[in-house]
Amino acid sequence: KNEVEQSPQNLTAQEGEFITINCSYSVGISALHWLQQHPGGGIVSLFMLSSGKKKHGRLIATINIQEKHSSLHITASHPRDSAVYICAVSTNAGGTSYGKLTFGQGTILTVHP
Amino acid sequence: DADVTQTPRNRITKTGKRIMLECSQTKGHDRMYWYRQDPGLGLRLIYYSFDVKDINKGEISDGYSVSRQAQAKFSLSLESAIPNQTALYFCATSDWTVTDTQYFGPGTRLTVL
Repeated sequence: KNEVEQSPQNLTAQEGEFITINCSYSVGISALHWLQQHPGGGIVSLFMLSSGKKKHGRLIATINIQEKHSSLHITASHPRDSAVYICAVSTNAGGTSYGKLTFGQGTILTVHP
Repeated sequence: DADVTQTPRNRITKTGKRIMLECSQTKGHDRMYWYRQDPGLGLRLIYYSFDVKDINKGEISDGYSVSRQAQAKFSLSLESAIPNQTALYFCATSDWTVTDTQYFGPGTRLTVL
């Protein structure tokens, strides 16, 4: 079983829909990251969070440490949101963030106009 | 100009050849990483370096070596390339003193024939 599991693996939506991507992990972490990879291949970091909730524009990320679960929400989705969304965790050793990331397999999101 | 650059962006080579992928960054970060991405497997850590004198193996270091020539430069070498090293390779940097968010280069697509 992978240490980081994402669901769904593929997601198709119509423009305007509310989207949720889930991430579950099985190890102790110091932080959880959400990344976006566009069809051209480039990867950008969207969020890094260790508790609670963060919001940036139409994107919202939440984390529940007790349940070892995080969600990425996209409100009012748009075709330009089409990308691969990747969850990754920084593992926790002695309370230090080592910066090494363990990645989920990614969720391929396609938003149709 | 991009903060993290990789050269070359695309490379086709033959089995048994020695290949070097280069990564440079202008962000002033101490930490640098090399990842490979394969369809269906997600991103996996090859090597990482927390400063010029610190080099560490990741989860899939066999068949690879690295050199940290300076704070800004981190090279990945394939001493004798084999076809299953065909993948997309990413370099990344992070500043653990701030947020440990990782900043990725544009990727190098390597094909080993």
